[in-house]
Amino acid sequence: SAVISQKPSRDICQRGTSLTIQCQVDSQVTMMFWYRQQPGQSLTLIATANQGSEATYESGFVIDKFPISRPNLTFSTLTVSNMSPEDSSIYLCSGGRQRPYNEQFFGPGTRLTVL
Amino acid sequence: AQKVTQAQTEISVVEKEDVTLDCVYETRDTTYYLFWYKQPPSGELVFLIRRNSFDEQNEISGRYSWNFQKSTSSFNFTITASQVVDSAVYFCALSEYSTSGTYKYIFGTGTRLKVLA
Repeated sequence: SAVISQKPSRDICQRGTSLTIQCQVDSQVTMMFWYRQQPGQSLTLIATANQGSEATYESGFVIDKFPISRPNLTFSTLTVSNMSPEDSSIYLCSGGRQRPYNEQFFGPGTRLTVL
Repeated sequence: AQKVTQAQTEISVVEKEDVTLDCVYETRDTTYYLFWYKQPPSGELVFLIRRNSFDEQNEISGRYSWNFQKSTSSFNFTITASQVVDSAVYFCALSEYSTSGTYKYIFGTGTRLKVLA
């Protein structure tokens, strides 16, 4: 398996502020993804982080709200911008391997509470 | 459209009972992968198993076993002699290829398993 670290592990933020979450993966993975898990819900893919270029966002997620960077193969950041209480969720980073494995390994997540 | 259905929202069993978690999927792809993940209360997703569409062999790993049946588009997960530490949310996922050649996961809604002492 791959080692995925994420920080911060949790945070409590005020409405209207922004939070940047960092994710570090080990060299066994080549792909990186960001997910949101709202309370009691399943995981929803926000975007695929692309090395050195703009992330590929899923329907319903936009760059202005969730800017993502991936300056190198093993590091990525997700910013949750202009936060509102509806953004309170767990944000998870994953590292994925290409075919034939298609496996993803997940970080411990960031529990975000917006007041 | 690709879809993963976990019809069981929550299951409660008494320790040492066997329990089966259901997963039904829909896909247009002929080559696909299915996964099970465990999410304990700590929140981290733990990878349990990967199965590709060409391998219908059932698999057993300790107290865990998986039954993959393409004919019914199901990939069910059985825990034998359940333990309190098995209490978690279990997610089934399907990998879907995009036109760019990369892939992404589609997750089911999860089944919360409570094992009572």
